[in-house]
Amino acid sequence: QKEVEQDPGPLSVPEGAIVSLNCTYSNSAFQYFMWYRQYSRKGPELLMYTYSSGNKEDGRFTAQVDKSSKYISLFIRDSQPSDSATYLCAMRADRGSTLGRLYFGRGTQLTVWP
Amino acid sequence: DGGITQSPKYLFRKEGQNVTLSCEQNLNHDAMYWYRQDPGQGLRLIYYSQIVNDFQKGDIAEGYSVSREKKESFPLTVTSAQKNPTAFYLCASSTGGASYGYTFGSGTRLTVV
Repeated sequence: QKEVEQDPGPLSVPEGAIVSLNCTYSNSAFQYFMWYRQYSRKGPELLMYTYSSGNKEDGRFTAQVDKSSKYISLFIRDSQPSDSATYLCAMRADRGSTLGRLYFGRGTQLTVWP
Repeated sequence: DGGITQSPKYLFRKEGQNVTLSCEQNLNHDAMYWYRQDPGQGLRLIYYSQIVNDFQKGDIAEGYSVSREKKESFPLTVTSAQKNPTAFYLCASSTGGASYGYTFGSGTRLTVV
């Protein structure tokens, strides 16, 4: 079983739709959760960062963490064609020998069509 | 501006050749990482280094080698032992330990011809 599972999609939605992206994980030591956005042929860029459980909102983006279910989500409201990219979830522990190492999902390819 | 520079952007390798991918950062980060990205497989960790003159194998280190002689630099050599080297290679850095995540370079696309 992989540490982090993410449906690769592809996901295609019309402009203005609400997008939901999700990841599940197996390691209960994970405490830091991130979402990266990667445009084609570019390096990933950090989009959202949350610690432990709860919600975090930044403009049209909301990140949710449910540690009891080992499930994280990224919601995009009023999606735009410029949101078309691959979204990768990432997470890491706050202790132990793997401190500092990020574990990534496979990424979900999103297309928002006008 | 601080950041990570990967070069070259595109690289072509003949069968049996070794090639070296460059990664330089001016963020004063202690930790550096090399990932390989293939379609549908996400990011796979090749090597990482948490401090100068020290590095560890990641999940797919076979056929690759690295060095970390300077804090700013973490070059990756793809050797002829790597049987399927065509991929997109990403370098990243972080402050290490309890950091807020990685900063990535813009990647190198390696193609075997």
